[in-house]
Amino acid sequence: NAGVMQNPRHLVRRRGQEARLRCSPMKGHSHVYWYRQLPEEGLKFMVYLQKENIIDESGMPKERFSAEFPKEGPSILRIQQVVRGDSAAYFCASSPRYRPTEQYFGPGTRLTVT
Amino acid sequence: AQTVTQSQPEMSVQEAETVTLSCTYDTSESDYYLFWYKQPPSRQMILVIRQEAYKQQNATENRFSVNFQKAAKSFSLKISDSQLGDAAMYFCAYRSAEGAQKLVFGQGTRLTINP
Repeated sequence: NAGVMQNPRHLVRRRGQEARLRCSPMKGHSHVYWYRQLPEEGLKFMVYLQKENIIDESGMPKERFSAEFPKEGPSILRIQQVVRGDSAAYFCASSPRYRPTEQYFGPGTRLTVT
Repeated sequence: AQTVTQSQPEMSVQEAETVTLSCTYDTSESDYYLFWYKQPPSRQMILVIRQEAYKQQNATENRFSVNFQKAAKSFSLKISDSQLGDAAMYFCAYRSAEGAQKLVFGQGTRLTINP
């Protein structure tokens, strides 16, 4: 039973480029959450999505960041025109529809902006 | 807004001894969930233990147990018989029972196990 999958595990981008981070939830899970972890800090919530719907994006920066979870395929976190301050680990978690309390985390994507 | 505070940036313990990690939180809600997550050097977030606020009994998972004091808004993690594999960052987290599904994390405590 595969867990939450994220790719790539490591991503290097130059300032001004775009970063696309992918998350495939566990089988049967329809809820996806994205969190960001800056160096030496705890995880901070960014966005919560269900299939084709953004439920809560209260933690998303107002500009350059967007997220989607299409009917088919993985959830995508997109960062446009990356800056050095975007360097962080980005974690995806998923939960089943009827037991949203349990969030299972993926291994994370470490984004480095040079 | 809810906040979670871990006042111990670092802790260390001798192998086979017991250690307690502290966590306090602030909320006006009466029903919620509390969690302890472990993050080893691999960075994978691993759920250690979960507590429902409406349950008075403290949760236990093998060598891991919590001391949940609802009135004091305190949620400490006790690790008994510490093992080298317990070395990791430990994060306390809060989640509302209704409405917002997001987890609110503390800053973390780095636990070192001395052989």
